[in-house]
Amino acid sequence: SQKIEQNSEALNIQEGKTATLTCNYTNYSPAYLQWYRQDPGRGPVFLLLIRENEKEKRKERLKVTFDTTLKQSLFHITASQPADSATYLCALVRPRRDGGTSYGKLTFGQGTILTVHP
Amino acid sequence: ETGVTQSPTHLIKTRGQQVTLRCSSQSGHNTVSWYQQALGQGPQFIFQYYREEENGRGNFPPRFSGLQFPNYSSELNVNALELDDSALYLCASSKKDLNTEAFFGQGTRLTVV
Repeated sequence: SQKIEQNSEALNIQEGKTATLTCNYTNYSPAYLQWYRQDPGRGPVFLLLIRENEKEKRKERLKVTFDTTLKQSLFHITASQPADSATYLCALVRPRRDGGTSYGKLTFGQGTILTVHP
Repeated sequence: ETGVTQSPTHLIKTRGQQVTLRCSSQSGHNTVSWYQQALGQGPQFIFQYYREEENGRGNFPPRFSGLQFPNYSSELNVNALELDDSALYLCASSKKDLNTEAFFGQGTRLTVV
């Protein structure tokens, strides 16, 4: 079965620096990969999606890369702010043999708790 | 806010009891998935419903069951509750399509004592 590992359970950085979070997976190559933000006691909120044939995606201060050779995705938050403090989850969607995807059936990593200090 | 609402927000049950959790999907979404999230862990896929039929199941025993209604709202039922069932239960709605994100509700915190 697919195993997903996100780097260190907790990441502490100073305001204004770039936060880099890692998501490594084993086994099959996902059809696509998503990143979510989760605040305490709340459900995950979608941030970015990147497909297996894409190398990089950007959205405002966020950037995601996807390296299928290394089986790794990196998630960057530039010019980080204390409001960015949260748990960040990566999630994979498995491709189906018919060429489709198992949409909505997400396999999540355990999450990385990011704390941005002022 | 995502437009996905779950009820109740918190619940305490005794071991061996049964529980029903409810979810209202976002307007226009025909697929609902349920996840279990233990403290400090990522969400684990329980099952998914599309047009009122189960459309995939994770590694959960049969005492976890569900329903989807014609208006695409959904229920998660858990029988014979065990202490390890204590978790945050998340409902996520999406469109049956490639490459679409899931919209999560705020979750139901279930505590089994």
